[in-house]
Amino acid sequence: KQEVTQIPAALSVPEGENLVLNCSFTDSAIYNLQWFRQDPGKGLTSLLLIQSSQREQTSGRLNASLDKSSGRSTLYIAASQPGDSATYLCAVRDDKIIFGKGTRLHILP
Amino acid sequence: ETGVTQTPRHLVMGMTNKKSLKCEQHLGHNAMYWYKQSAKKPLELMFVYSLEERVENNSVPSRFSPECPNSSHLFLHLHTLQPEDSALYLCASSPGLITEAFFGQGTRLTVV
Repeated sequence: KQEVTQIPAALSVPEGENLVLNCSFTDSAIYNLQWFRQDPGKGLTSLLLIQSSQREQTSGRLNASLDKSSGRSTLYIAASQPGDSATYLCAVRDDKIIFGKGTRLHILP
Repeated sequence: ETGVTQTPRHLVMGMTNKKSLKCEQHLGHNAMYWYKQSAKKPLELMFVYSLEERVENNSVPSRFSPECPNSSHLFLHLHTLQPEDSALYLCASSPGLITEAFFGQGTRLTVV
């Protein structure tokens, strides 16, 4: 049974710092991995999708990597801003989409 | 805006009420999903529809009844809910079953 773990559960960093969020999954037989952002009480916004054949994807200040063999993905955020404060969710797709519990990120002004 | 619209955004209902949540997408996607998000738990997949047919039902109580009348609309009919059913209900769609998923803003449901 696929399980997705995100560490840390919560993270506070000063504005301007670079940071890394971690996601691990137990079964490497996945089609893709998707990172989402969720603001309090709102829906999910897709940030990056990495296909199983890819190793990374970049969008602006965000870079996501995928190491399928070790069951790990990271989301790197460069030059963090207060507007980046949100919960970041990782989801893997095998025959269904399985989510982690998320990392609550707070950027300190 | 993700292209997936959910209504209402907020709903308060009594345990004896019947209500429905609506999800709409005009992205041309073939798959639609209902998720439940409770505090401090991962998102729980409830139902999956592909080409208007239910392909997954994750042991959801019968007081939740999904309906997919066409590929653009998905409903979740609610009746005789319990207070523990209070949660954020999220709808998502994707072009196919293993492609990128797009989520709506959710319906915040409170059962009193």
